[in-house]
Amino acid sequence: DADVTQTPRNRITKTGKRIMLECSQTKGHDRMYWYRQDPGLGLRLIYYSFDVKDINKGEISDGYSVSRQAQAKFSLSLESAIPNQTALYFCATAGSGGDIQYFGAGTRLSVL
Amino acid sequence: AQSVAQPEDQVNVAEGNPLTVKCTYSVSGNPYLFWYVQYPNRGLQFLLKYITGDNLVKGSYGFEAEFNKSQTSFHLKKPSALVSDSALYFCAVRDMNTGFQKLVFGTGTRLLVSP
Repeated sequence: DADVTQTPRNRITKTGKRIMLECSQTKGHDRMYWYRQDPGLGLRLIYYSFDVKDINKGEISDGYSVSRQAQAKFSLSLESAIPNQTALYFCATAGSGGDIQYFGAGTRLSVL
Repeated sequence: AQSVAQPEDQVNVAEGNPLTVKCTYSVSGNPYLFWYVQYPNRGLQFLLKYITGDNLVKGSYGFEAEFNKSQTSFHLKKPSALVSDSALYFCAVRDMNTGFQKLVFGTGTRLLVSP
């Protein structure tokens, strides 16, 4: 089983819909991250969390929200999806050193 | 702000030839630099990192990277490319402006190794 699991792997939704992307990890890491990947733009950080009580905005948090339900679970929500949120989304975790991040396989989201 | 630049969108190399994927950085203070690889339909995987010490860093799958302070570069290299090395490669730097350990990624370089 994967150490960092993202669900769903693929999602197609319509403009205005609320959707949630989920991430769970079995690595026992405190740090969790959400990124989006767009061609030519690389990975951009949406939100990150140091622990259950610590959630921080990344460089592109507008239009997104997150919930850290437990140490092992970190969900990303799009309250009202729009087409320019079409992207590949990655969850990642890191241990106390923080340097090496472990990524899930990604969720490919299309907003029509 | 900390940043990295990957000047090449794509690098093409024949199998068996040496490969180089370029990365330059801009940081205040000493850089903490990383390379990650993304294979098709997979998440990113850590390859190697430079924190301090020897300028030549060895990593997974036969890759190495050379840190050059005067040129502010951290190029990824491999002496002999394999077709299976074809993937998307990301350079990253630790964001030292926050107390939290975040990484700032480059835009990625696609490596295509032809048989």
